[in-house]
Amino acid sequence: GESVGLHLPTLSVQEGDNSIINCAYSNSASDYFIWYKQESGKGPQFIIDIRSNMDKRQGQRVTVLLNKTVKHLSLQIAATQPGDSAVYFCAENIRGGTSYGKLTFGQGTILTVHP
Amino acid sequence: GAGVSQTPSNKVTEKGKYVELRCDPISGHTALYWYRQSLGQGPEFLIYFQGTGAADDSGLPNDRFFAVRPEGSVSTLKIQRTERGDSAMYLCASSLNGGGPYEQYFGPGTRLTVT
Repeated sequence: GESVGLHLPTLSVQEGDNSIINCAYSNSASDYFIWYKQESGKGPQFIIDIRSNMDKRQGQRVTVLLNKTVKHLSLQIAATQPGDSAVYFCAENIRGGTSYGKLTFGQGTILTVHP
Repeated sequence: GAGVSQTPSNKVTEKGKYVELRCDPISGHTALYWYRQSLGQGPEFLIYFQGTGAADDSGLPNDRFFAVRPEGSVSTLKIQRTERGDSAMYLCASSLNGGGPYEQYFGPGTRLTVT
């Protein structure tokens, strides 16, 4: 598969550990945020989203935390598994007029899970 | 199929040639987005359709790039006089509508290589 991320932050964890991936977003007016997982050679896969009127949202094995004061987003993965190894992107969305349009993606973090 | 599909999966073309990339969104999704992703970076927005019309084309890099969605479903991204710098993964996404926010679901992408 393609090799990505010579310049991306990396996180290496052992199988079973919890992982925390951080993201700083740029626009204080953004009101919707999404975390995506991207495996080599594939399109981004939706993981979890959160709206700006919330500060925490939980899914299956994942939790997203939103700190609007410092424009920071984090993704927590519980009991990380080798299949979680991928590049993780946060994305922000802002309502412009009557619709939500483009996503603005963060830098991405490479997560490697060692068995 | 149930997801967003894109064809071709890979396209190799010579500098100066014209290419078309196709996207089939999820059935019933009225919003469709095109992004471009270079190696080691997050996807970058190109254009967003709500129905048949381009609601935001601010991400198209120049007038060599054009996209259409004549019947409000399938979309084609067209690149004229391709340049080596156009080489990238071209991703399409769709969402229920643009009035959301709703998560954007991505296709597998088309890898374009300009030689």
